Amino acid sequence: GDSVTQMEGPVTLSEEAFLTINCTYTATGYPSLFWYVQYPGEGLQLLLKATKADDKGSNKGFEATYRKETTSFHLEKGSVQVSDSAVYFCALTKTSGTYKYIFGTGTRLKVLA
Amino acid sequence: DAGVIQSPRHEVTEMGQEVTLRCKPISGHNSLFWYRQTMMRGLELLIYFNNNVPIDDSGMPEDRFSAKMPNASFSTLKIQPSEPRDSAVYFCASSIHGEANVLTFGAGSRLTVL
Repeated sequence: GDSVTQMEGPVTLSEEAFLTINCTYTATGYPSLFWYVQYPGEGLQLLLKATKADDKGSNKGFEATYRKETTSFHLEKGSVQVSDSAVYFCALTKTSGTYKYIFGTGTRLKVLA
Repeated sequence: DAGVIQSPRHEVTEMGQEVTLRCKPISGHNSLFWYRQTMMRGLELLIYFNNNVPIDDSGMPEDRFSAKMPNASFSTLKIQPSEPRDSAVYFCASSIHGEANVLTFGAGSRLTVL
C-alpha cells in the first residue's frame, strides 16, 4: 500500500545551521506531496506542498522538491531559527479515489540558540 | 473563519466512562477526518467523511469507537467504554474534497483515561 517514510528524530541543530529532513514515499500513480508542521500544543498546519514531479514547494524559507525518480520530497532550510523548533510531517494524497492523506511518523526538530 | 473548532480541549475521565469529542469543520469544507496522535503510534487516521458520509473507517480501533456526522457543520467521536490505552490527542481536520486540497486541523482534544 501507499506509505511515507521520514528520517527519525530528534534532529538538534544550532541556530543558522542548514536543515534537511528526508522523506520518501511509496505510491501508485502521481500523488500530491505535503509538509506539515506541528508546534507544541497545536494541530498540524500546512508548510508547503507540490502537486507534480519537479515542482518545488516553498514557504517561510523552507523548500522541498518533488522528485519522482527518487520518490523523495526532502525538506530543506538554509538557516534555521529557534522558532522553527517543531515536529515536521511529510504526507501524500492520491490524485484519485478517496483522497485519503497518508502521513509519515514525524521528525522532531530542536534548534538551539 | 474561526478554523476547525474542537471541544473539549482537555478531558480527564475514568476507565469505563463514555467520552464524546466534538468537531466543527470549516464552513464549505466537505471532507472531515478524525486522527489520533500518540507518542508510540504517531498520527493515525481513524475515520474519514465526505459529504457527511463515512468513506473509510478502517482505522477505527474497535467497536468501542464510533463517529457520526449528522450535518455538514458537526461531527462527534465517541468512545464507550473508555480505556487507559485510549489516552491520546484526538485531532479533527477538514478540507475540500479533491486532489491536493489542504487539510486544516483543529487544536486537538487531549484525552486522559485513568
